[in-house]
Amino acid sequence: AQSVTQLGSHVSVSEGALVLLRCNYSSSVPPYLFWYVQYPNQGLQLLLKYTTGATLVKGINGFEAEFKKSETSFHLTKPSAHMSDAAEYFCAVSGSGGYHKVTFGTGTKLQVIP
Amino acid sequence: ETGVTQTPRHLVMGMTNKKSLKCEQHLGHNAMYWYKQSAKKPLELMFVYSLEERVENNSVPSRFSPECPNSSHLFLHLHTLQPEDSALYLCASSRVAGGQGQFFGPGTRLTVL
Repeated sequence: AQSVTQLGSHVSVSEGALVLLRCNYSSSVPPYLFWYVQYPNQGLQLLLKYTTGATLVKGINGFEAEFKKSETSFHLTKPSAHMSDAAEYFCAVSGSGGYHKVTFGTGTKLQVIP
Repeated sequence: ETGVTQTPRHLVMGMTNKKSLKCEQHLGHNAMYWYKQSAKKPLELMFVYSLEERVENNSVPSRFSPECPNSSHLFLHLHTLQPEDSALYLCASSRVAGGQGQFFGPGTRLTVL
């Protein structure tokens, strides 16, 4: 079985401030981990992924995430928030039950305050 | 066209209607997915097709019927839906191995009256 927990359904940051979105996972096998972003009235867009190798993963739009096995975490960060980062972010895990089966978190809505 | 496309983008139907959602992927992938996204609920995986065979069917009511005629096309046939079926229906595709992540279409916003 696998699951994902995103802490905080809403996060607000000031423009230029650090963005930190938290994700913890559970998986019975070595996981693949993903972050997706969803803008209003659009589908999900892959931001970054961890499969194997380097635990610090860089993605699009200046986002990065670090896989920490000991903490079963995969938090998403960006050093300086931009107004265009306002969206909903989803953490996801695959592995248990087959790698085609992806379990998504409930999402975190990021608000960026000017 | 590039990526994953879905038609229609918006659909309003009565409970007795029959309609179909269409998804097409232009990425050379060989796995396709249907998800249901409802407000304040996690994304729900409905169906998975891998190499054109259905490999996942997550206890979805029979009023939803998927069809995957080839690796590029996926349909979701709808009949006698209920108001609680109103949601955003997302199609996604990936390579079978899954490690590259899934690529999503823009979704079909379905309203059942």
